[in-house]
Amino acid sequence: GESVGLHLPTLSVQEGDNSIINCAYSNSASDYFIWYKQESGKGPQFIIDIRSNMDKRQGQRVTVLLNKTVKHLSLQIAATQPGDSAVYFCADSTSGTYKYIFGTGTRLKVLA
Amino acid sequence: GAVVSQHPSWVICKSGTSVKIECRSLDFQATTMFWYRQFPKQSLMLMATSNEGSKATYEQGVEKDKFLINHASLTLSTLTVTSAHPEDSSFYICSAPDPLTRNEQFFGPGTRLTVL
Repeated sequence: GESVGLHLPTLSVQEGDNSIINCAYSNSASDYFIWYKQESGKGPQFIIDIRSNMDKRQGQRVTVLLNKTVKHLSLQIAATQPGDSAVYFCADSTSGTYKYIFGTGTRLKVLA
Repeated sequence: GAVVSQHPSWVICKSGTSVKIECRSLDFQATTMFWYRQFPKQSLMLMATSNEGSKATYEQGVEKDKFLINHASLTLSTLTVTSAHPEDSSFYICSAPDPLTRNEQFFGPGTRLTVL
């Protein structure tokens, strides 16, 4: 991801609506991408990952889309719930390095 | 899934003192662990890679003499913030790679450091 030290952008969605969180990465060599959820005062929690040989992967209520042409990653959350409120980070990595580069992050607020 | 723990979960110290933070892999071995720093409302920034049995690898701009890393065993890495100052106040998080996939990282719960 691209982390520039700015304050987190916020996405507000109505409960039950779908959420789309976007992320850009800069390293063309990255071949593994992950989305994490972080609640206040806690460590990151794994949501879903995708490898560069795929452009879409689905989990439970979540879908990750990868566009390698424009180095863009998105996380879609279906039927957003209050418990989804958190900060979401993307991270990218290159096989063999095990190092993650985190994106700026997006705060998701779910409105009742 | 695999668990990574950190101790302490929070610490408050006076300026000029040193603080040690522990990172443990509870049910798996980790020859490599990573240390991140996160300032409020910002992303995680990789500080260094902790290597069991050898020196840590620091990211550009991270002072190795200030942030001492010791990977004492296959389940324990420690980060010591030496002569801490208020600007070192941050959330410190460690991670360890999944020993099976070697890609997914398991993150610890973080340690909140406040330097007065």
